[in-house]
Parts: sequence; structure tokens; C-alpha cells
Amino acid sequence: DAGVTQSPTHLIKTRGQHVTLRCSPISGHKSVSWYQQVLGQGPQFIFQYYEKEERGRGNFPDRFSARQFPNYSSELNVNALLLGDSALYLCASSLEQGSGGELFFGEGSRLTVL
Amino acid sequence: GEDVEQSLFLSVREGDSSVINCTYTDSSSTYLYWYKQEPGAGLQLLTYIFSNMDMKQDQRLTVLLNKKDKHLSLRIADTQTGDSAIYFCAELQYHNNDMRFGAGTRLTVKP
Repeated sequence: DAGVTQSPTHLIKTRGQHVTLRCSPISGHKSVSWYQQVLGQGPQFIFQYYEKEERGRGNFPDRFSARQFPNYSSELNVNALLLGDSALYLCASSLEQGSGGELFFGEGSRLTVL
Repeated sequence: GEDVEQSLFLSVREGDSSVINCTYTDSSSTYLYWYKQEPGAGLQLLTYIFSNMDMKQDQRLTVLLNKKDKHLSLRIADTQTGDSAIYFCAELQYHNNDMRFGAGTRLTVKP
């Protein structure tokens, strides 16, 4: 069975541009979370979605938005990119909202902002 | 700063045991996790423990939880060179589904 898949794996943008990152959860998982991992740090929570609704939000500006589709896949959008947005963006899926237990991560999308 | 704290580096000899320590701050956290990250890769779930447990063992991995001191540890028995990676401790804050990570401990295993 496929794990959590993310696309693209790498991308380069310039300041002010917009980016869309995509995530497909493990089959049967209904919850998707997004994390930002800056080099040398642990991941920071951005959003959690369950049944197409936002169920949790971290301390990120409104330039960050996300949505979840009926097939439980998800997109993370970042507008007006800043140099500080350069990071590895990780998607994680779990069976239920706040289920604890097993939370599985994808390999991430590495964003470089020039 | 981080709510979850870990030492940044640990170096051991192959075959020895490794113990990675973590302290967390939210007493309402329900689950505590250990993840492994190899260079350029995502996070691999190693093990997790529910907050009403004191210990969990899974093959070479032993997790100990001291709720009174908010201290979590991961012991890796018979450490191998393939265990070299960054290990992250994380707590799940159930009220907002926020998983808080430490900065990671870089484990180096010397032959």
C-alpha cells in the first residue's frame, strides 16, 4: 500500500510568488495535517483537516491556507512568498481527527524561495 | 522557543545502548511520539506511548514515560550504524490537534 505521497518533491520560487503543495493520505485515512520544517529545527504545525474541515491551526500568517477534498487529499497554498518560507513542508495522515496513535508522514516538499 | 526540549547530539559505539531524552511541558498531552529522520527524508514513526502508560517496548526500542517530571526517553538496544539519524520527540496536544516537536537529537553511531 502506498504511504503518504506529496508533490512536488522539490521546487524553487521567487519572493512574492505563490505556491501550491499537494498531499495524498494513506488509503482510508481521513485526517491530513501540514507541518513546516525549517533546516535544523523540528516540524512546526500549520493545519489539520478532517472531513474537509479545518480542525486545527498553528501560529502561521493568513498567507498560508489549505483545503481538503472529498477524496481526503489536500493542498497547502502559500501566497506572497518570503525568503523565510524556505523549508521542507511535510504532510501527515491519520485515520481520524486527533486520533493520536499512528500519524504517518510523507517525504515532504522542499521549497526554496530566492 | 520549543515547548519540547531535547539534547542536540548523542554519540555512541556500535553495539552499545543509546538513550535519548526529552522533556515536554503540556500535562494534558495525550500521546507522546518518537520519530526518526534520515538526511533528506521525511519522518518515520518509530513508536508512541499513550499518556497513561509508563513504559512501552517494541523490539530494540524501549520508551519510558515519567508524567510527574514530564520526561520521556527512548532507549535503543544494540545500536547499529543504520540507527544514525535525527530523532524527534513530539507531544500531541489533543485540544487543537497540534503536535509539538522538539528540535531533534542527532545520533551518531561509530563503528
